[in-house]
Amino acid sequence: AQRVTQPEKLLSVFKGAPVELKCNYSYSGSPELFWYVQYSRQRLQLLLRHISRESIKGFTADLNKGETSFHLKKPFAQEEDSAMYYCALTTHTGGFKTIFGAGTRLFVKA
Amino acid sequence: KAGVTQTPRYLIKTRGQQVTLSCSPISGHRSVSWYQQTPGQGLQFLFEYFSETQRNKGNFPGRFSGRQFSNSRSEMNVSTLELGDSALYLCASSLPTGTADNEQFFGPGTRLTVL
Repeated sequence: AQRVTQPEKLLSVFKGAPVELKCNYSYSGSPELFWYVQYSRQRLQLLLRHISRESIKGFTADLNKGETSFHLKKPFAQEEDSAMYYCALTTHTGGFKTIFGAGTRLFVKA
Repeated sequence: KAGVTQTPRYLIKTRGQQVTLSCSPISGHRSVSWYQQTPGQGLQFLFEYFSETQRNKGNFPGRFSGRQFSNSRSEMNVSTLELGDSALYLCASSLPTGTADNEQFFGPGTRLTVL
């Protein structure tokens, strides 16, 4: 069965500190992995996807198939990074199906 | 370009009633997915529609159904409402890229309260 696990419900760091939001997945096929973010009073929106291998707002995420992980990292957290972060896995078997993790709330303190 | 819109934004129903929620995707997007978001279960996939066909379905009872029209607008229906159906229902649309690495664009959601 497909599953996405985000072990931390809340992560609190100081501004300028490194941040890592953990995500582990379970899927027998080749996964398409994403990080979505929801800022206060805004819609859920895509932050980055593993296939594009890009850095968005200073965040990066590397797919580690051996450890079945897709952790989100940023070397220096900013206060505006405070938000809810969701790791998601999309499969394409006859149609799209996206499984979301429970989410991690990141709080960056001044 | 207008974003995904959902109507109504808020809804209050009583147990046993039925409800229909509407979603208008971004122009040109043909895939529409629905999700239920609750504090206890998080975001759970309900179903996905593409070209008026349901292509995938999550683990929800048959009381949850949906459809998609030729203009890609989608509706979801919940019959015989239960207290546990109280949730934020999110709709998301995406382009038909043919692969799973497509970005989903989310609507603001419909907050359903069942009394």
